[in-house]
Amino acid sequence: QVQLLESGPGLVKPSQTLALTCTVSGGFISSVSNYWSWVRQPAGKGLEFVGRMSANGYTSYNPSLKSRVTMSVDTSKDQFYLKLSSVTAADTAVYYCARDPQIAGFFDYWGRGALVTVSS
Amino acid sequence: DIQMTQSPSTLSASIGDRVTITCRASQSISGLLAWYQQKPGKVPKLLIYKASSLESGVPSRFSGSGSGTEFTLTISSLQPDDFATYYCQQYSNYLYTFGQGTKLEIK
Repeated sequence: QVQLLESGPGLVKPSQTLALTCTVSGGFISSVSNYWSWVRQPAGKGLEFVGRMSANGYTSYNPSLKSRVTMSVDTSKDQFYLKLSSVTAADTAVYYCARDPQIAGFFDYWGRGALVTVSS
Repeated sequence: DIQMTQSPSTLSASIGDRVTITCRASQSISGLLAWYQQKPGKVPKLLIYKASSLESGVPSRFSGSGSGTEFTLTISSLQPDDFATYYCQQYSNYLYTFGQGTKLEIK
């Protein structure tokens, strides 16, 4: 059974960098046939794709966030990471990590989500 | 970007009703569409992928259809557990995009 779990600070100050970790169990993070993604959801609003990556370092980001997003992976720890720089209140959201199986394009396993609030 | 538009935004229905939610893409996405169910405070759950393929473990009362730019999610007989918000998602190009959601409420 694949499980994903997000972790990181729940409060980030404006202009600083949001940093989240997704720990994957049972999910073969090293397999290059999966993409590992981040999706976010502001309170009461819809879902927004942030970016995806593969274990061999391929990344693809939402163009609206591209200049501020960095994703990386550490297969030895079964973890992948999200960094979002120069955050503002508009970046306040629940951030989900998710698996895109077989590079299919949809998300079959999701983490439970991490609420990140941007506030001074 | 490919824009995804769902209709209606809110749908009121009763237990046992057959309901249909529509998702329209701003350009053709072939059949590269998924549907998710999300309950308040919960994680989105994959229901349908490739427009009409039912995810393992999802009840057969859920079905999807469509191609090109117009897609539908149908629930054949509403159950109490089905009241939630539903999202479509296209994965035709590298920038995945979601619809704005359809909230299914109890009438």
